[in-house]
Amino acid sequence: DVKVTQSSRYLVKRTGEKVFLECVQDMDHENMFWYRQDPGLGLRLIYFSYDVKMKEKGDIPEGYSVSREKKERFSLILESASTNQTSMYLCASTGEAAPGPGNTIYFGEGSWLTVV
Amino acid sequence: AQKITQTQPGMFVQEKEAVTLDCTYDTSDQSYGLFWYKQPSSGEMIFLIYQGSYDEQNATEGRYSLNFQKARKSANLVISASQLGDSAMYFCAMRGYNQGGKLIFGQGTELSVKP
Repeated sequence: DVKVTQSSRYLVKRTGEKVFLECVQDMDHENMFWYRQDPGLGLRLIYFSYDVKMKEKGDIPEGYSVSREKKERFSLILESASTNQTSMYLCASTGEAAPGPGNTIYFGEGSWLTVV
Repeated sequence: AQKITQTQPGMFVQEKEAVTLDCTYDTSDQSYGLFWYKQPSSGEMIFLIYQGSYDEQNATEGRYSLNFQKARKSANLVISASQLGDSAMYFCAMRGYNQGGKLIFGQGTELSVKP
């Protein structure tokens, strides 16, 4: 069964801490995405990557960075966590470079981050 | 820049009736794909339907159909014969060819089906 796995389901971190959210997929996908989901705002794209060591900013990259050293792993990094980064973070991946009728996008279960 | 707008934060529908969830989009790409996803309270994202920008016919998948009006840049989801299990968040999404495969979502619509 194909999977996108997010390392932590629930995290509580202190303001100023460095936070790592890990996403691993076992489908040899080139494309991986990080979103945050907030009520009323939907899913907002933070960063995405279309290949190893390649990354592109999404719509809300401020306060975040990413790392893609291996194809299967896409890490989201909060260099200095702040309370306004309390949210649900969702990872996704797909093997197709472009949209199409067979374009299957796989999602992780989400990581709930609380910054206190 | 790409943008997806869902203007209905919440919708109610009576069981067995049809409901339309609105989605408008903005893109400079000539080729793109539009998606609808369902997110129940469990949090998983469930793919419902896909429409390509060059598809001449509206997509249909069982009780789901996509009312695609390219000139208006709208891609509304129609759910026929609503069921209680349809109560969930619904997200419209778009992926363009010329943006590195960037996938963006709208704000979502929370649908509640009444018995």
